[in-house]
Amino acid sequence: SQKIEQNSEALNIQEGKTATLTCNYTNYSPAYLQWYRQDPGRGPVFLLLIRENEKEKRKERLKVTFDTTLKQSLFHITASQPADSATYLCATVSGGGADGLTFGKGTHLIIQP
Amino acid sequence: EAEVAQSPRYKITEKSQAVAFWCDPISGHATLYWYRQILGQGPELLVQFQDESVVDDSQLPKDRFSAERLKGVDSTLKIQPAELGDSAMYLCASSLTGETEAFFGQGTRLTVV
Repeated sequence: SQKIEQNSEALNIQEGKTATLTCNYTNYSPAYLQWYRQDPGRGPVFLLLIRENEKEKRKERLKVTFDTTLKQSLFHITASQPADSATYLCATVSGGGADGLTFGKGTHLIIQP
Repeated sequence: EAEVAQSPRYKITEKSQAVAFWCDPISGHATLYWYRQILGQGPELLVQFQDESVVDDSQLPKDRFSAERLKGVDSTLKIQPAELGDSAMYLCASSLTGETEAFFGQGTRLTVV
């Protein structure tokens, strides 16, 4: 089964800087990789999806990269704001999607004003 | 905006009692997931449905947990008997297919005493 590794320690970033979060997977190369945001006591909210044949995806201040050689995805938030403070979850999907989304533990991001 | 509905929002039950959670996915979404999330951890897949069929329930503790989606629309997850270790957030999510982004409900926070 797939194993997802995310930095479990909280990441403290100063407002206005770029926050970079790392997601490493250890087994098979997923067909898709997704990033979600989760606020305390609430369900995850979808942010971005990147396919295995895509190197980079952008949406407003968000950017995701996918390196199948390194088995790694990086998630960037540029011009970070205190409102970006949350837990960010990485999830993989195999081809066909028959085994659901496999999530990492998430990284808690804190943007300091 | 369409949402995944879950109820109840909170549930406190005594160990050895039965408990049930309900989920109504976004209309037209064929794939429905039940996840369990322990505080500080990522969501863990319990069961995935494609329409009314179970696609993956390999992580569902079948001696005490059951899930159904009889008409391929809403779904119920049941625990009988509940154990102290079942205390967690139970999240329902739906997606158009197993390969597209998932939309999560607010979750049911279960406390077993």
